[in-house]
Amino acid sequence: AQKVTQAQTEISVVEKEDVTLDCVYETRDTTYYLFWYKQPPSGELVFLIRRNSFDEQNEISGRYSWNFQKSTSSFNFTITASQVVDSAVYFCALSEWGGGSNYKLTFGKGTLLTVNP
Amino acid sequence: GAVVSQHPSRVICKSGTSVKIECRSLDFQATTMFWYRQFPKQSLMLMATSNEGSKATYEQGVEKDKFLINHASLTLSTLTVTSAHPEDSSFYICSAPAVTGGGVMGNQPQHFGDGTRLSIL
Repeated sequence: AQKVTQAQTEISVVEKEDVTLDCVYETRDTTYYLFWYKQPPSGELVFLIRRNSFDEQNEISGRYSWNFQKSTSSFNFTITASQVVDSAVYFCALSEWGGGSNYKLTFGKGTLLTVNP
Repeated sequence: GAVVSQHPSRVICKSGTSVKIECRSLDFQATTMFWYRQFPKQSLMLMATSNEGSKATYEQGVEKDKFLINHASLTLSTLTVTSAHPEDSSFYICSAPAVTGGGVMGNQPQHFGDGTRLSIL
């Protein structure tokens, strides 16, 4: 079973539309962390947000907002008034204790977002 | 902010060649670094955890003798793909959390290198 599920493989929208990227995770840990990363066509990964398992407060940063719901194990990401520059692959990731002395990051399969002018 | 530099960005070489990829933390020390592999249009898969001064920890299914990892200093980890074959062609990405001391805090965002696109002919 996948630990991080991003059900939407590809999404295509027209500029200025709002778009929500879904993420569902699975873990037995009580302490864990969730992240969203953006990977533009150039390939580098850009950190967008992190959320720890004890903080269900939603967050807004400019046109970006995140909805964390432990009850449904979801951590969804919404882009408001999308722009062409938002076109990228977006990864949701789960950080859990991996044994030894390290946490490990598990990525979802990613959602390719294409924003058309 | 913290920066991770990965070099080279692209490699094209013949089958049978060994290729070394470097990952450097530029303005912080990294006792731990991670190596990922990404196939086209797919997710990042953790290959191994690189630990400064000790052996790397490999994920299940990753050949230790094929993918040699060395973490000789607090700012440098290297991944060597030995006797590379076309099936080793992929995008390799390293990362490091900007923490020092023992252990990796789970809430630290990973700082990723820009990746190395490896093509084996």
